[in-house]
Amino acid sequence: GDSVTQMEGPVTLSEEAFLTINCTYTATGYPSLFWYVQYPGEGLQLLLKATKADDKGSNKGFEATYRKETTSFHLEKGSVQVSDSAVYFCALMRGTNAGKSTFGDGTTLTVKP
Amino acid sequence: GAGVSQSPRYKVAKRGQDVALRCDPISGHVSLFWYQQALGQGPEFLTYFQNEAQLDKSGLPSDRFFAERPEGSVSTLKIQRTQQEDSAVYLCASRADRTAYNEKLFFGSGTQLSVL
Repeated sequence: GDSVTQMEGPVTLSEEAFLTINCTYTATGYPSLFWYVQYPGEGLQLLLKATKADDKGSNKGFEATYRKETTSFHLEKGSVQVSDSAVYFCALMRGTNAGKSTFGDGTTLTVKP
Repeated sequence: GAGVSQSPRYKVAKRGQDVALRCDPISGHVSLFWYQQALGQGPEFLTYFQNEAQLDKSGLPSDRFFAERPEGSVSTLKIQRTQQEDSAVYLCASRADRTAYNEKLFFGSGTQLSVL
């Protein structure tokens, strides 16, 4: 079945540091890939997505590239801020599966000033 | 509404008690999903509705779990005879489905269920 594996957290960085959160997936066909973010006390919200191989999703300075050859969708940001502290979830969605999503276990990021 | 609304925000139940969790999706959204999120884990799929039709309930862990969306808008997840292993955050998400299946999900803040 489908699965998503994220790098284990928690991750603690200083402000302005470079961020990478690794995500790899297993799925048949050609899924769409997503990063969701959950800020403290709030629901999950979409951060970015990519729908086909070599697409790059980007938002709020975050980027991730859909790499089919390595089945990966790593999240990166060049300079993190304290306000980026949150839990980040990688997810996939396959259209042949009613579009239901499979999520990774989440990576908690804490950015210190 | 402005977003997906779930109630109650917190629910404490005694083992064996029945509970009902409510989800009010964004108005007009076709698809509605329920997920279960255990502490420290990602959301796990429970069930999916397209309007009022429950098209997939393969993730429901037992026949104690039941979900409905009778008019294609508000949905209720009911858990009968709750057990301690049911303790989790229950998330509801909706999707517009105006153009394609891979539109983003809009999540509610969840209901945190604790079974004592």
